[in-house]
Amino acid sequence: GENVEQHPSTLSVQEGDSAVIKCTYSDSASNYFPWYKQELGKRPQLIIDIRSNVGEKKDQRIAVTLNKTAKHFSLHITETQPEDSAVYFCAASNVFGFGNEKLTFGTGTRLTIIP
Amino acid sequence: GAVVSQHPSWVICKSGTSVKIECRSLDFQATTMFWYRQFPKQSLMLMATSNEGSKATYEQGVEKDKFLINHASLTLSTLTVTSAHPEDSSFYICSAVELGTGSSYNEQFFGPGTRLTVL
Repeated sequence: GENVEQHPSTLSVQEGDSAVIKCTYSDSASNYFPWYKQELGKRPQLIIDIRSNVGEKKDQRIAVTLNKTAKHFSLHITETQPEDSAVYFCAASNVFGFGNEKLTFGTGTRLTIIP
Repeated sequence: GAVVSQHPSWVICKSGTSVKIECRSLDFQATTMFWYRQFPKQSLMLMATSNEGSKATYEQGVEKDKFLINHASLTLSTLTVTSAHPEDSSFYICSAVELGTGSSYNEQFFGPGTRLTVL
């Protein structure tokens, strides 16, 4: 099955600086890579996702890059703000479009923005 | 739109009792719901995939007789933790996939989670 590794496990960044979180996956058939933000005791929230036919996707201060050859993808947050502090999870899935494809999550990164 | 609720939000029970957790899609129909377990400071671990009208598919290492899943309708799936023990204490989260959105990938919408504490 799929295995997703995520680094670093913790990350502290000065407010206004950029944060980068990296994930690697093992199954070359995976074609969908979402990123989730989870605040303490809350549900995961999808913040951005990328499909394997795209190398990069950006949404305001958040961007995701994908290297299919190396089987890794990264989350980039620019101009970080205190409200970006949370745990971030990457995930991978092999999607056929049936809706029952499962996600394999990374181990999570606790991001702390230092004011 | 695409709201998923869970009930209860938290529950405390005695060891040996059973606890039922409900997952509802409030404004859409879900052919598939997923159940996850999350221990403190850990990732989401998929327990099972629940399909309406059929038996759930359990992940390796998850006891199907202990974690009973019933997906009785397109808007409701339940997880029953039978004979709960303290090691079952965890945050249980469900997600639902909307039926027939026409996209190549149907996003999983997560419920708010249920914190189970077994004494």
